[in-house]
Amino acid sequence: KNEVEQSPQNLTAQEGEFITINCSYSVGISALHWLQQHPGGGIVSLFMLSSGKKKHGRLIATINIQEKHSSLHITASHPRDSAVYICAVPNQGAQKLVFGQGTRLTINP
Amino acid sequence: KAGVTQTPRYLIKTRGQQVTLSCSPISGHRSVSWYQQTPGQGLQFLFEYFSETQRNKGNFPGRFSGRQFSNSRSEMNVSTLELGDSALYLCASTLQPQNTEAFFGQGTRLTVV
Repeated sequence: KNEVEQSPQNLTAQEGEFITINCSYSVGISALHWLQQHPGGGIVSLFMLSSGKKKHGRLIATINIQEKHSSLHITASHPRDSAVYICAVPNQGAQKLVFGQGTRLTINP
Repeated sequence: KAGVTQTPRYLIKTRGQQVTLSCSPISGHRSVSWYQQTPGQGLQFLFEYFSETQRNKGNFPGRFSGRQFSNSRSEMNVSTLELGDSALYLCASTLQPQNTEAFFGQGTRLTVV
């Protein structure tokens, strides 16, 4: 079973700060997902990446397959970025995706 | 194109009852997965369907079941509801079962009283 660890669990920052959320996993994978969940509950897929780096607006995701580590960065953070960010990886076994515990991000104005 | 649609959004049931939740995937997507999210356990995989067949099942009791129809819409059913079944139930659709981007619905929030 793939184990997924995220850090930090909670992060509070001021508007405009550069944010980094980390994700480590235990078993080699072909792709990793970064998800965003707002208080309403719905989940939005931010990135699926298998190597290198991807960028969407102010969001950047990087992955190092050899080190089994991925980071999600937010530049020029804004209060609307406040959400729970979750990384997920496919499991070798029966499960489809294994999720990290999530990072609760709060951006204060 | 329309996203993943889950119905109903909110549901309150009594212990012992049964419930059916529905998920309509993105048009063209043939794989649907179901997840349960609780404050204590986080997101946990329930099952995955592809082409009307259950491909994978998570570690949940037999009270949890599901099916997929020929139009790829999926339903999950929970029988003999327990208080601990109160959770947000999310479904995700993907084009294919493996290594493709997952698109999630808004979820169905089930409360068992």
